[in-house]
Amino acid sequence: GAVVSQHPSRVICKSGTSVKIECRSLDFQATTMFWYRQFPKQSLMLMATSNEGSKATYEQGVEKDKFLINHASLTLSTLTVTSAHPEDSSFYICSAIIQGGLAFPDTQYFGPGTRLTVL
Amino acid sequence: QKEVEQNSGPLSVPEGAIASLNCTYSDRGSQSFFWYRQYSGKSPELIMFIYSNGDKEDGRFTAQLNKASQYVSLLIRDSQPSDSATYLCAVKRGAGSYQLTFGKGTKLSVIP
Repeated sequence: GAVVSQHPSRVICKSGTSVKIECRSLDFQATTMFWYRQFPKQSLMLMATSNEGSKATYEQGVEKDKFLINHASLTLSTLTVTSAHPEDSSFYICSAIIQGGLAFPDTQYFGPGTRLTVL
Repeated sequence: QKEVEQNSGPLSVPEGAIASLNCTYSDRGSQSFFWYRQYSGKSPELIMFIYSNGDKEDGRFTAQLNKASQYVSLLIRDSQPSDSATYLCAVKRGAGSYQLTFGKGTKLSVIP
């Protein structure tokens, strides 16, 4: 299957700092990537859709000024959690869609996730 | 609000048995359906997708779709302890959209 990487896998930071998470598609180009958040024992909640070369589309209730998304190339999207607070502690997961190729075009492939802990 | 419902479980089956996981969805216009497996502390891993009524088989896994009943299921034959995980049902929101709506997942435990 397609490979999506995320970095870092874990991050611990102090309250008030900003944290950047990278999501890369390693063997395909992804014009569309997604950012999810998952709290313990909960399902994945879509935060935003990241489109290469344009502004991200945020889901209702997600603060776009707090969760900055940049999709500057066909293989990289970044999520920056600005002024992080303990309630932002969560598992952040990105996914990417394969454009064309043999895979079903709607299929999302997930990165390994980033566990953020804000002290 | 478009919803995807799953029984949270846990569903316990003995090793070698068939595990049956069910999912219902509210948006009758949904076209594409996905099953993901998620191990504890890990990200989801795609198992299967289905978009036509009927059954689709891939190894030990069979996905079943009934659009009239708005129901999709996943059968796991010859269940193994390594199949113990949370299984997420996901539905593509609609034509022209790539976004998925996920159910809360069913936790499966395969008992050796």
